[in-house]
Amino acid sequence: DIQMTQSPSSLSASVGDRVTITCRASQTISYFLNWYQQKPGKAPRLLISGASSLQSGVPSRFSGSASGTDFTLSISSLQPEDFATYYCQQSSSSPWTFGQGTRVDIK
Amino acid sequence: QVNLVQSGAEVKKPGASVKVSCKASGYNFNDNYIHWVRQAPGQGLEWMGWINGKSGATQYAEKFQYRATLTRDASVRTAYMELSPLIYDDTAVYYCARMDSNWAVEYLQYWGQGTLVTVSS
Repeated sequence: DIQMTQSPSSLSASVGDRVTITCRASQTISYFLNWYQQKPGKAPRLLISGASSLQSGVPSRFSGSASGTDFTLSISSLQPEDFATYYCQQSSSSPWTFGQGTRVDIK
Repeated sequence: QVNLVQSGAEVKKPGASVKVSCKASGYNFNDNYIHWVRQAPGQGLEWMGWINGKSGATQYAEKFQYRATLTRDASVRTAYMELSPLIYDDTAVYYCARMDSNWAVEYLQYWGQGTLVTVSS
C-alpha cells in the first residue's frame, strides 16, 4: 500500500498568515493526489484534485503543488473559515490512502 | 444538484451486522462509482472500497475484504455498505462519496452526511 505522510500533524496560525502543509508519498504517484478540508462534524470537502487543480467554488487563496513524491497545500492568507483539518489522499493505485491529517487551529 | 443522503445512526452489539444506505439524486446513478470511507472518533479517514453504480462490480481494501459487502440497487438509486461481524473498533462515522474524474485523476467530490455506527455491548 502507498503510505501518505503529512506534516505537520497540527499547527497554530493567525488570520492572514501563510500556511503550508506537506504530504509525502511512499512511492511515485505522479499527480494523482487530492486535498480535502474537514470541519468538525462535517463530511470532507474536496479542495484540490490532481495535485494542483482547484475545485470550483474553492477560494483562490488555496493552491497545490507537487515535486516528485512531495506535495504541498498552501493557503496564502488564512481566513477564519479555514480553521479545519486537511487531508491528502492518493488515487494512483488501490487501496486509496489518506494522510493522517493536519489540524489548523487559531493561534 | 448532486445529493447523497445516508441512513440514520445505528447502535449495534459486537458480532452483529449493520447496513448503511446512501441514496443518490441529481445525476445518473449508473454513471459513477460510489466509495465508502470511515472515520473513527477523533481519527483520520480510512478508505473501505467502491462499487460501480452500473455494473455492481466492487473493490475492497484488504482490511475489509471479508467483513464488508458493498451492494447497490440502481432502481432506487441507492448504494449500501454492510459490515459484519462488528467489533468495537468499527465504531465510526461511515461516509459514502461519489467518485468523479478529470484527466484520469479520480477524486471524491460529493459526500453523504455520514452515518454514525456505534458498537457497544
